[in-house]
Amino acid sequence: DTGVSQDPRHKITKRGQNVTFRCDPISEHNRLYWYRQTLGQGPEFLTYFQNEAQLEKSRLLSDRFSAERPKGSFSTLEIQRTEQGDSAMYLCASSLESGTGELFFGEGSRLTVL
Amino acid sequence: GDSVTQMEGPVTLSEEAFLTINCTYTATGYPSLFWYVQYPGEGLQLLLKATKADDKGSNKGFEATYRKETTSFHLEKGSVQVSDSAVYFCGVHYNTDKLIFGTGTRLQVFP
Repeated sequence: DTGVSQDPRHKITKRGQNVTFRCDPISEHNRLYWYRQTLGQGPEFLTYFQNEAQLEKSRLLSDRFSAERPKGSFSTLEIQRTEQGDSAMYLCASSLESGTGELFFGEGSRLTVL
Repeated sequence: GDSVTQMEGPVTLSEEAFLTINCTYTATGYPSLFWYVQYPGEGLQLLLKATKADDKGSNKGFEATYRKETTSFHLEKGSVQVSDSAVYFCGVHYNTDKLIFGTGTRLQVFP
């Protein structure tokens, strides 16, 4: 399968714990995006990378959130000191450098904070 | 700020009925417009797009026309099938290089 893959698909954690999600984009895609989706809402933009450079971060991305893409391939999204309000589906998407808006999404990583 | 407004769901239809899902956006510049679909248990996938005024995007029997004068991009299908049951998201891509989505509209088609 050469699509976008995310791991883990589901994470249950206790409040205050740290969690990390991984995204492997389509191999020839230079751009990688993270979105968050809560129940009944559309995906909300969090941040995006072009190669290893993080070019934009949303105000939604508090200091507890950090994303990296160290070698311009896979990316990680870490949430420190999780809160119940962090419970959501975290979506990763990738696209070609041309930035046409045509994103290829993974199936998401669902976070449940107890 | 930039925003997208979609009609609320769920939209419940019988098979072969006509579908319209409304989408409007804030008019800052000349964005590209998209419809994405999320089938149960799957990730979002691109359904169709339009990049300039009066363009019509189409795919799988779905159509949407970029209407700059009304800042709208309504999704239509002449005859829905049970397999079209999914959540549909309208998206707007601005020069800021991020795609902004509406809240999604759930479509349920019954035989």
